[in-house]
Formats: sequence, structure tokens, C-alpha cells
Amino acid sequence: NFMLTQPHSVSESPGKTVTISCTRSSGSIASNYVQWYQQRPGSAPTTVIYEDNQRPSGVPDRFSGSIDSSSNSASLTISGLKTEDEADYYCQSYDSSNPVVFGGGTKLTVL
Amino acid sequence: QLQLQESGPGLVKPSETLSLTCTVSGGSISSSSYYWGWIRQPPGKGLEWIGSIYNSGSAYYNPSLKSRVTIFVDTSTNQFSLMLSSVTAADTAIYYCARTLSISARFDPWGQGTLVTVSS
Repeated sequence: NFMLTQPHSVSESPGKTVTISCTRSSGSIASNYVQWYQQRPGSAPTTVIYEDNQRPSGVPDRFSGSIDSSSNSASLTISGLKTEDEADYYCQSYDSSNPVVFGGGTKLTVL
Repeated sequence: QLQLQESGPGLVKPSETLSLTCTVSGGSISSSSYYWGWIRQPPGKGLEWIGSIYNSGSAYYNPSLKSRVTIFVDTSTNQFSLMLSSVTAADTAIYYCARTLSISARFDPWGQGTLVTVSS
């Protein structure tokens, strides 16, 4: 089994850019797509990035995703931070033995 | 617009079986090639995939829960259900149902979630 490790929390000021990492413990990060979810307090998660770097309709282009094979990690970058971006963010990926694996989640504070 | 809604008891006794149903509206559960999944979230903690099922009935489970989980689909009622046996306090969580295009693709949309507490 592999794990996806995320920082417990990150914080940044409005208008700035923040990057949240998701490091895969074994197997190549590039071999299987990564999705990213945003979860606001009291709400169900919603997709902000799917298939590594694709944005669902309605998600602003301030959200972007990328893969870095050298660090075996995926990243979610949010630019032009707004207070409404304050939420928990989760990455998700898979392999042939584990159809769905979630990262532990990152709490983003916009202060 | 596809919508999912979880329903079931909010309180289950230890050692009993947790049963939840997800009702799909705005689309047919059997008319398209989607998987239907269950995900849970203990209070204040992260997401955990429980399992997913195809409309044909083929199911895939989280290995850590596989011995206690059954997911089945009822196309006549446009619902799919979760049964989790021998529950303990560790199974207390918000339970979400969601749709996914393939077994490992993104979950979208999600139901609003339902809190199930395991307590005597």
C-alpha cells in the first residue's frame, strides 16, 4: 500500500499564492492521476483539480495542479488568494492494488 | 442535475450493522457507465474510501474494511446501499455517497453526508 502525505496546515495572506504538496510514498506519482478536493466547514468535498491538472467547469483559473516526478509529489497551487479559499484540501490517487487513496488533508488559512 | 442523498439511522449500537442508502435523482443509476461509491470522514479527521460499485453489481472495497463491508445497488429504486457490520466507536463518522466515472477517477458529485454515531 502507498500513502499520500500532505502538510497538516498552510497559511498565507489574501492576494498571495500558496502551494499545497501531496507526496506519494511508493510508486510513481506520474503513473496514476491525482485529484484535488476542497472541503469547506460543514460541506461535502468538491473537485477543484482532476487528472493532475484539469479544472472542472466553474473552478476559477486561480487553481492549478501539477506533478513533479523528482520529488514524487503533486501540487495544488492557488494564486490571488481570497478568504473564500479557506478550507481543507485533499489529494486522491490510486494504483492497481488500491483503487482509491486519499491524502490526510491540509487546512488552508487565509489571514 | 444529478443529486445524491444519504439516508439511514443516525445512531447504531456497538457490534451491530450500520446500514445506509444513497438515493440518486436527476439521472438513472443503471443507464450510464458510472461507479457509485461510499466515503467516510470521522469528526475532525480526513477522508477514507469505503468502497465503490458498478451498476452491474461489481464491487470494490477498501482492503482495511473489506471483511465488514457490503455495497449493493438496486436499479429499480435508483439507490445503492452500504452495510458495515460489527461496528465500534471507531466507525463513528460522516458517511458520504458519490459518483465516479471509473473506479479510480474523481468523485463528483457528492451527497451532503450523514452523521452516524456508534454508541450504546
